[in-house]
Amino acid sequence: NAGVMQNPRHLVRRRGQEARLRCSPMKGHSHVYWYRQLPEEGLKFMVYLQKENIIDESGMPKERFSAEFPKEGPSILRIQQVVRGDSAAYFCASSPTGGNSYNEQFFGPGTRLTVL
Amino acid sequence: DAKTTQPPSMDCAEGRAANLPCNHSTISGNEYVYWYRQIHSQGPQYIIHGLKNNETNEMASLIITEDRKSSTLILPHATLRDTAVYYCIVRDLYNFNKFYFGSGTKLNVKP
Repeated sequence: NAGVMQNPRHLVRRRGQEARLRCSPMKGHSHVYWYRQLPEEGLKFMVYLQKENIIDESGMPKERFSAEFPKEGPSILRIQQVVRGDSAAYFCASSPTGGNSYNEQFFGPGTRLTVL
Repeated sequence: DAKTTQPPSMDCAEGRAANLPCNHSTISGNEYVYWYRQIHSQGPQYIIHGLKNNETNEMASLIITEDRKSSTLILPHATLRDTAVYYCIVRDLYNFNKFYFGSGTKLNVKP
């Protein structure tokens, strides 16, 4: 039973390019969460998605960042026109249910984005 | 955003119990206490959670004070592989969408 998968594990982009980060949740999980971790800091929530719906994007920067979780395929976190401050580790988590549930979130290994 | 206070670092001798404290003095009745750990920049790993009663699983024990304002995570026999950053998180029963990760406690298990 594979865990949460993220790819790529490492991504290098130049300023102004686009970054696409992918997350495949655990089998049977329909809720996906994205977090960002800057060096020496804790994880910060970005967005919570169910299939085809964004439920909570209160942690997403208003510009350049977007997320989707289509009916088929992985969840995508997209960062347009990257800047050096976007360099961070981006973690995806999934859970079998969301909302009013005490189910824990299972985290992937993360994608480390470096912007040159 | 974080509603918890943890010491930035702790040392523990291998084979001894590691007791990691967490203060959550503003916790409300609807909020659970969760513990996760992050080993060397890997994805966070779930350890345990509880509401008001003490909990134990194969990894650890969670002791929550009667007033629920603080808790302690206990690793009964720490090994070198337990060296990690440990995060104590409070989570609203009615707003489970996100975890608030603070700075955590860096546990150094020494031989």
